[in-house]
Amino acid sequence: GNSVTQMEGPVTLSEEAFLTINCTYTATGYPSLFWYVQYPGEGLQLLLKATKADDKGSNKGFEATYRKETTSFHLEKGSVQVSDSAVYFCAQIPPGANSKLTFGKGITLSVRP
Amino acid sequence: GAGVSQSPRYKVAKRGQDVALRCDPISGHVSLFWYQQALGQGPEFLTYFQNEAQLDKSGLPSDRFFAERPEGSVSTLKIQRTQQEDSAVYLCASSPGRLYNSPLHFGNGTRLTVT
Repeated sequence: GNSVTQMEGPVTLSEEAFLTINCTYTATGYPSLFWYVQYPGEGLQLLLKATKADDKGSNKGFEATYRKETTSFHLEKGSVQVSDSAVYFCAQIPPGANSKLTFGKGITLSVRP
Repeated sequence: GAGVSQSPRYKVAKRGQDVALRCDPISGHVSLFWYQQALGQGPEFLTYFQNEAQLDKSGLPSDRFFAERPEGSVSTLKIQRTQQEDSAVYLCASSPGRLYNSPLHFGNGTRLTVT
């Protein structure tokens, strides 16, 4: 079946540190891949996406590259800020699934000043 | 406001009670989704509407769960005879199109606690 696996959390970093959050997927065919973020007290919102192999999604200094060969979509940011503290979810939509997202478990990121 | 609105924000129900959760999607959005998010987990798909038609209800965990969207806008998720395992955050999302990959806009959710 289609699934998404995220690295175990939580993650705590100091401001300006480099961030990597790992995500791998299993799917039939080539899914679209997403990172969603949930800031404290807010709803889930789309952070970035990639729809085909080797695409790079980017937004707010975050990047993720769709790697078909390793079935991965790791999230990176060169210098995190306190305001990046949130829960991050990796997700996929298999081809033809009518936008039916399959999410990973999520990981909590805390950034210290 | 311009976003997806869900009510109530919090709901406490005694085991065996029926509950109804409301979702007001963004005006004009064709597609509407319900997700269930247990504590410490990612959201899991429950059901999907395109306008008033419920096209996919494969994620509903039992026949105690029922969703409707009679006029193609507001949707209600009803849970009958609630059980403790129903305790979760229920998320609603809407999107403007029918197409695969149409962006989803999520509400803040309703936190249901069954005692």
